[in-house]
Parts: sequence; structure tokens; C-alpha cells
Amino acid sequence: NAGVTQTPKFRILKIGQSMTLQCTQDMNHNYMYWYRQDPGMGLKLIYYSVGAGITDKGEVPNGYNVSRSTTEDFPLRLELAAPSQTSVYFCASTNPLKFSYEQYFGPGTRLTVT
Amino acid sequence: DQQVKQNSPSLSVQEGRISILNCDYTNSMFDYFLWYKKYPAEGPTFLISISSIKDKNEDGRFTVFLNKSAKHLSLHIVPSQPGDSAVYFCAASPSNTGKLIFGQGTTLQVKP
Repeated sequence: NAGVTQTPKFRILKIGQSMTLQCTQDMNHNYMYWYRQDPGMGLKLIYYSVGAGITDKGEVPNGYNVSRSTTEDFPLRLELAAPSQTSVYFCASTNPLKFSYEQYFGPGTRLTVT
Repeated sequence: DQQVKQNSPSLSVQEGRISILNCDYTNSMFDYFLWYKKYPAEGPTFLISISSIKDKNEDGRFTVFLNKSAKHLSLHIVPSQPGDSAVYFCAASPSNTGKLIFGQGTTLQVKP
């Protein structure tokens, strides 16, 4: 079990460029999440999905888009990158039937927009 | 509107002593609370959790206490070890949402 994997690990974007952050999990979890973590701050929920074809906004969705065509994959799309999107991005997944609400996190993608 | 707050950005303790990390919340609809540990350049990893129907949960050196009337939870680590040095996040789950709300984190340093 690889768990939750994210690519790339690092990326530098110029203002206005676009990119897709990839996230894959092999635990057959229905629920998947994208968070961003800014320095000295906690994790903020960007988007989440409760199953293939179903996505919803979190606390900070502006400037991002997601899709969920399979159970395993949950890519995050940045359109027209801005310096405010410089952050570390984490993908997570969970099994909603598990009582503990524990989410499993990927290693993160460090994005810099200049 | 910070629903989950960790008011201490950092904590330093001596190896072998107790570490106490605190977390306050404002939303009485939270029904589950979790602690995550994060090392640099890694994703957070789950440490311990507690349901709102309990006031204590223990797992080895880690114990989480929940005081619902005060809307406060704490994580006790006894004895603290240098490998415990990391950032600790508390998180809370609103009922039946599948979502987590995270605090800002507390950086724990355990000195040998």
C-alpha cells in the first residue's frame, strides 16, 4: 500500500501560469480532500469529494478547481496562478465508515508562484 | 473566525518530562477531535482521537483529555522523547460532515 501519493513534490510557477497537482490513493477511500498550509497556519480545506463525480467547496476554494472521475484520483487545478497561492498543498483521504474520522495525508506539494 | 485555536505557537520541554499541548474550540457541534503530528517536509500523521462522548483516551505515551464544558482539549505526552519534536495540530470534526477543522499548530521541541 502506497497510501496517498502526490506529484510533483516541488514546483515554481510564474504569475498567470496554470498547473495540475496530482493526488492518488490506493486505499479505496471514497472521501478525498485538498488542503493548503501557509507558514505558521493550520491546514485550510480547499475542496473535497465524497465519491467519484461528487465534489464540493471547502473554506478557500477561489482560484482552484477539482474533478473526481475515479475513486483513486483527485487532481487539483490552479488556473492563472497568483502569489497568494504560494503554499504547501496536501491531499488526504478517508474511509467514511471508520468511526475515528482519521484522514490519511500525502507528503505534500510545495508550490511557489513568482 | 477561528473555530479551533492552539494559542501556544511553541513549547519546549526536557526529555523524560511531560509535554502538554492545548487546544480550544468554539463550535459545540464538533463531535470528534483528533491530534496530528507533522515532521518537516512530510504530511501530517494521525496520532490519537477522542469522541465527544468521552473525556479521556489513552494510547501508550499519549493521552487526550476533553473538557466539553470548557470547550478545551489537551494532549499529554509522557515521557517526552526527542523524536516527539514536531508540529502538533489539533483538529475537530463537525457532526456528519466528514470534514476536519484544524488549529494553527504548536511546535514541540524535546531537548535531550
